[in-house]
Amino acid sequence: DVKVTQSSRYLVKRTGEKVFLECVQDMDHENMFWYRQDPGLGLRLIYFSYDVKMKEKGDIPEGYSVSREKKERFSLILESASTNQTSMYLCASSLWGTEQYFGPGTRLTVT
Amino acid sequence: SQKIEQNSEALNIQEGKTATLTCNYTNYSPAYLQWYRQDPGRGPVFLLLIRENEKEKRKERLKVTFDTTLKQSLFHITASQPADSATYLCALDILGGYSGGGADGLTFGKGTHLIIQP
Repeated sequence: DVKVTQSSRYLVKRTGEKVFLECVQDMDHENMFWYRQDPGLGLRLIYFSYDVKMKEKGDIPEGYSVSREKKERFSLILESASTNQTSMYLCASSLWGTEQYFGPGTRLTVT
Repeated sequence: SQKIEQNSEALNIQEGKTATLTCNYTNYSPAYLQWYRQDPGRGPVFLLLIRENEKEKRKERLKVTFDTTLKQSLFHITASQPADSATYLCALDILGGYSGGGADGLTFGKGTHLIIQP
């Protein structure tokens, strides 16, 4: 079975802190994705990557950056966390043209 | 602008009946459409993928149809059970992706909350 793991299930950070969310997949997938999910807004794509060191902006990249140094690992970085970045963050991976496999999510609260 | 619409209100269905969920979209020409199930506090789980040249796809009690003329997909759960209660999301690929290289960015609908009552 494909497994996508995220570094934390729950995280509480202060405004202005730098936050790292880590995601690891074990199925050699080319594509990896970061989404955030908010009530009433659904899942929104922040960034994705289709190869090591490659990244593409999604719908809402502002305030975020990403890093993919190894194929299995995709990190989301909040350079200076703000309260409007309180959300559920979901990582996913996939092969080309196929379904996405999601991690369990990280619920981030910024106070 | 691009838009995906799913029933925003909860759908209540009696156990044993067929549940039908709708996904409508505008301004897309997706190469495929996917359906996911999401339980509270968990990540979405893939259910079915249907391509633009397919009219219907089945998997056990699940059936998906895809009408590219109507820009609509219907998702059916037959012989529904209380364990089918969840939020169901439809998602479209954006052909050509953000990079133009066919990358697989998906856009999700907001989901329909399905409740199967015993």
